[in-house]
Amino acid sequence: GAGVSQSPRYKVAKRGRDVALRCDSISGHVTLYWYRQTLGQGSEVLTYSQSDAQRDKSGRPSGRFSAERPERSVSTLKIQRTEQGDSAVYLCASIPSLRQGNTEAFFGQGTRLTVV
Amino acid sequence: GNSVTQMEGPVTLSEEAFLTINCTYTATGYPSLFWYVQYPGEGLQLLLKATKADDKGSNKGFEATYRKETTSFHLEKGSVQVSDSAVYFCALKGGKLIFGQGTELSVKP
Repeated sequence: GAGVSQSPRYKVAKRGRDVALRCDSISGHVTLYWYRQTLGQGSEVLTYSQSDAQRDKSGRPSGRFSAERPERSVSTLKIQRTEQGDSAVYLCASIPSLRQGNTEAFFGQGTRLTVV
Repeated sequence: GNSVTQMEGPVTLSEEAFLTINCTYTATGYPSLFWYVQYPGEGLQLLLKATKADDKGSNKGFEATYRKETTSFHLEKGSVQVSDSAVYFCALKGGKLIFGQGTELSVKP
């Protein structure tokens, strides 16, 4: 398809387990972000990566959160040892180019994670 | 580092009322500024943008002007509709793309 697709749409995980969330971004887009969205706290950047023909640069993993990009248009966000505070909507955003400035971001519909 | 601050919601208005959602930012350099909107059950989508000082972004009756002197990018609409009910996010891109916390707007008929 033409848009950004995330899977699964909903995920329930037991506390302490690891989870993996998938994002299929738009072919040809260079930069990919993962955000965590919670009501009242907005969207927090978890990690981002940029890829070009030569290399793949990933944002510094933040503790239990890491992202892999096995293919240029696919990213997997991994959350280790989930905590109840990880319950949120996880958004993937795809940006066409490395240009700074006015490049629009295209978002997936998000994965709602509930940790029980 | 760069940051974005929005007015807290929820904001509840009657149809045809005037809307202002405040957004201020701190940034080094000359970032681009955006408003994104998230309608119920949908993903975030771009509403409007401005790339330099004094630029005005506009779309669907919404406007926002890039004010460097006040580091603001307030969203306005002269007459809101029920269909404008959504969560609105102010965003800045000067390196990373970062967002404010979102403002929920509810428009009643």
